[in-house]
Amino acid sequence: DAKTTQPPSMDCAEGRAANLPCNHSTISGNEYVYWYRQIHSQGPQYIIHGLKNNETNEMASLIITEDRKSSTLILPHATLRDTAVYYCIVRVEEYSGGGADGLTFGKGTHLIIQP
Amino acid sequence: NAGVTQTPKFQVLKTGQSMTLQCAQDMNHNSMYWYRQDPGMGLRLIYYSASEGTTDKGEVPNGYNVSRLNKREFSLRLESAAPSQTSVYFCASSEPAQSDTQYFGPGTRLTVL
Repeated sequence: DAKTTQPPSMDCAEGRAANLPCNHSTISGNEYVYWYRQIHSQGPQYIIHGLKNNETNEMASLIITEDRKSSTLILPHATLRDTAVYYCIVRVEEYSGGGADGLTFGKGTHLIIQP
Repeated sequence: NAGVTQTPKFQVLKTGQSMTLQCAQDMNHNSMYWYRQDPGMGLRLIYYSASEGTTDKGEVPNGYNVSRLNKREFSLRLESAAPSQTSVYFCASSEPAQSDTQYFGPGTRLTVL
């Protein structure tokens, strides 16, 4: 799996959009971009993933650049409960032949939502 | 539907003691995983099981053994605990035929003295 680079920490005001960047300049053509988050002391939680098109679900939006070398996770209206460590992971999907070999977590970005 | 459950939630061991961490999922997933997380670090894969009856080593398997007891249960055993195994252990499951999303349990906090 390709490696990712994320800022170690970010602040965002409550109610504003939180934009979390991720660089993945060595991503391969068949690797997806995944985002998970880990709220303090809990197990990680899946947020969203995408290949090359922008994606949106009830939690967040994922914007992937045209060259796929970077992406941004957007939490549109951040709340205090969004304070967590956010992990950007690139990998081949299991059912696309990537194999069930687990996720590779970096240190992520510690997002702090300020009241 | 409880998702992924882990027992115990907390455990303190003395060096050299053994124990088994239990994990169960009720989502009928084929794949299951064990990770460890040290303070300030991301999760690291210890072992995984792509399907019932198969297990494979991850990034940090030394000092651990696993058993995929059936499709629901995947246990992690420490035969002779060491202080370096003090960590938080997370179990996860996924169903590759449906999506690549992994669902995590609440974790077991293990301290080895």
